[in-house]
Amino acid sequence: AQKVTQAQTEISVVEKEDVTLDCVYETRDTTYYLFWYKQPPSGELVFLIRRNSFDEQNEISGRYSWNFQKSTSSFNFTITASQVVDSAVYFCALSGRNTDKLIFGTGTRLQVFP
Amino acid sequence: DADVTQTPRNRITKTGKRIMLECSQTKGHDRMYWYRQDPGLGLRLIYYSFDVKDINKGEISDGYSVSRQAQAKFSLSLESAIPNQTALYFCATSDAAFHGYTFGSGTRLTVV
Repeated sequence: AQKVTQAQTEISVVEKEDVTLDCVYETRDTTYYLFWYKQPPSGELVFLIRRNSFDEQNEISGRYSWNFQKSTSSFNFTITASQVVDSAVYFCALSGRNTDKLIFGTGTRLQVFP
Repeated sequence: DADVTQTPRNRITKTGKRIMLECSQTKGHDRMYWYRQDPGLGLRLIYYSFDVKDINKGEISDGYSVSRQAQAKFSLSLESAIPNQTALYFCATSDAAFHGYTFGSGTRLTVV
């Protein structure tokens, strides 16, 4: 069975701090895909990144970076120099190559205070 | 226009009433999904459809029904709404799950 665990329910930081959101997954598939979505206070779900299981290179996009480690079944998300606009709920998700749907974690609420 | 449009955006309804949430997409994708979001529980799948003749139950389908009227339209109905169906509902579409989803903006439903 596939499962995604986001153990951090809520994180609070002060602006300009770095913050890492953890995501641990379980799957028996050898080919799988990992995702991060952002849900700002306005409520919509915004796609951030998709990563396949054969690409373990870390990804950086501006202040955002993602660390994929198959050895620990983790796909962690780091925000460098956080800003108030980063305040949101962040979801990690998993899909196999032949599965019908995404499996979501329960989300981590990030609050960035000025 | 948005790729995935959900209507209404907000709705308050009374216990026992029938309500329909509508979703339409312009992505041309075959797959459509309905999720509900509750605080601390993440996104839970209600129903999903691969085409107009293929409807599948998700993990929490009890109390809900769906209709796939066309490739682009997928409606969710609550036959007799109850207060614990108060939640944020999302529709999504995809050409394949491993490509990820495009979500609608959500419908905030309150059952009083």
